[in-house]
Amino acid sequence: KAGVTQTPRYLIKTRGQQVTLSCSPISGHRSVSWYQQTPGQGLQFLFEYFSETQRNKGNFPGRFSGRQFSNSRSEMNVSTLELGDSALYLCASSFLANQETQYFGPGTRLLVL
Amino acid sequence: GEDVEQSLFLSVREGDSSVINCTYTDSSSTYLYWYKQEPGAGLQLLTYIFSNMDMKQDQRLTVLLNKKDKHLSLRIADTQTGDSAIYFCAESIDNQGGKLIFGQGTELSVKP
Repeated sequence: KAGVTQTPRYLIKTRGQQVTLSCSPISGHRSVSWYQQTPGQGLQFLFEYFSETQRNKGNFPGRFSGRQFSNSRSEMNVSTLELGDSALYLCASSFLANQETQYFGPGTRLLVL
Repeated sequence: GEDVEQSLFLSVREGDSSVINCTYTDSSSTYLYWYKQEPGAGLQLLTYIFSNMDMKQDQRLTVLLNKKDKHLSLRIADTQTGDSAIYFCAESIDNQGGKLIFGQGTELSVKP
């Protein structure tokens, strides 16, 4: 089975722009979670989707949003980018929510200038 | 509250055992995980343990869980230079879906 894929792998944007990141889960997996990783804050949970519904959301401003499609692929969007949004964005998939095995993709590295 | 703590650095010699420690605060953890991250890469799931178990062994990896003290450890036997990476401990919380709470990561350096 192919693993979790994320596109694009690298992205450079300027302050004020918006960005959309994509995540394709492992085939058959229905839960997708997103995390932000920065040197200062570490790994922080953004949100989780299961069967197209957001089940849980972390403590991020409303500029961060996401959605999940009927094929379980997920996108996250960040509007009005700030320098502090520079990070590695990771998504993880699992067959069901609350499952013991969550598999991560390689991440999208976003640099905001 | 939700908090996971790890020591930041560990250095060992090749062939020795490594023990990476983690403490957590939430008593409603369901699963506890160990992930490995190599430079420029995502997170690789190494192993996990259900919160009602106290030990799990998987080849060179041994996970010990002391639920009373909320302490989790990962022992890597016969550590190799390829094991050099950052190791993250994480917990999932009952009724919070797929949300994982991560520690800050332990950087393991293996010297030949």
